[in-house]
Amino acid sequence: GQNIDQPTEMTATEGAIVQINCTYQTSGFNGLFWYQQHAGEAPTFLSYNVLDGLEEKGRFSSFLSRSKGYSYLLLKELQMKDSASYLCAVSLYNNAGNMLTFGGGTRLMVKP
Amino acid sequence: DGGITQSPKYLFRKEGQNVTLSCEQNLNHDAMYWYRQDPGQGLRLIYYSQIVNDFQKGDIAEGYSVSREKKESFPLTVTSAQKNPTAFYLCASSPGTVLRTDTQYFGPGTRLTVL
Repeated sequence: GQNIDQPTEMTATEGAIVQINCTYQTSGFNGLFWYQQHAGEAPTFLSYNVLDGLEEKGRFSSFLSRSKGYSYLLLKELQMKDSASYLCAVSLYNNAGNMLTFGGGTRLMVKP
Repeated sequence: DGGITQSPKYLFRKEGQNVTLSCEQNLNHDAMYWYRQDPGQGLRLIYYSQIVNDFQKGDIAEGYSVSREKKESFPLTVTSAQKNPTAFYLCASSPGTVLRTDTQYFGPGTRLTVL
């Protein structure tokens, strides 16, 4: 079966750095996505990793280690608007195409 | 503007009634998906479709039905057989290339409450 774990909640201070971890155990792996979701809204795409290493996009970076089944999302210079849920999703390939399996999400609260 | 639309944003129904949620995209994407999200939880796949006139069950298809008669439209019907239909429903689409992983883009969601 598929298993994706991430912390339920995290709290951080405005201007700080926060790291959100995601571990996965899946049969078949074709990449890992991070999405941001504000309360009551649609998830929006943040990043995609398929090879080991760090991908940087402005204040957000995402890291992947396939051998360890581990990824993290790093948010720098936190802003109040970063308060949201962050969803880790693993892409699994089957003969029907690209399927995403989501973790439960990490709710991040940024405090002044 | 290209994107995915879902309507309505909020929907109330009485127990025992079927209800259909709309999803339309003008991104020319081949693949479309329906997910359900319960409070504090991640997304669970209900149904997906890779091409017109074809669709497959996801992890929690029981009590739901879909159709894909047009490329741009993928409506979801929540039937009276669905035991706990109150949830946030999200539609997504992706270019649908089978040979590689494509980003899925989400609509704004429909919050269904069954009274």
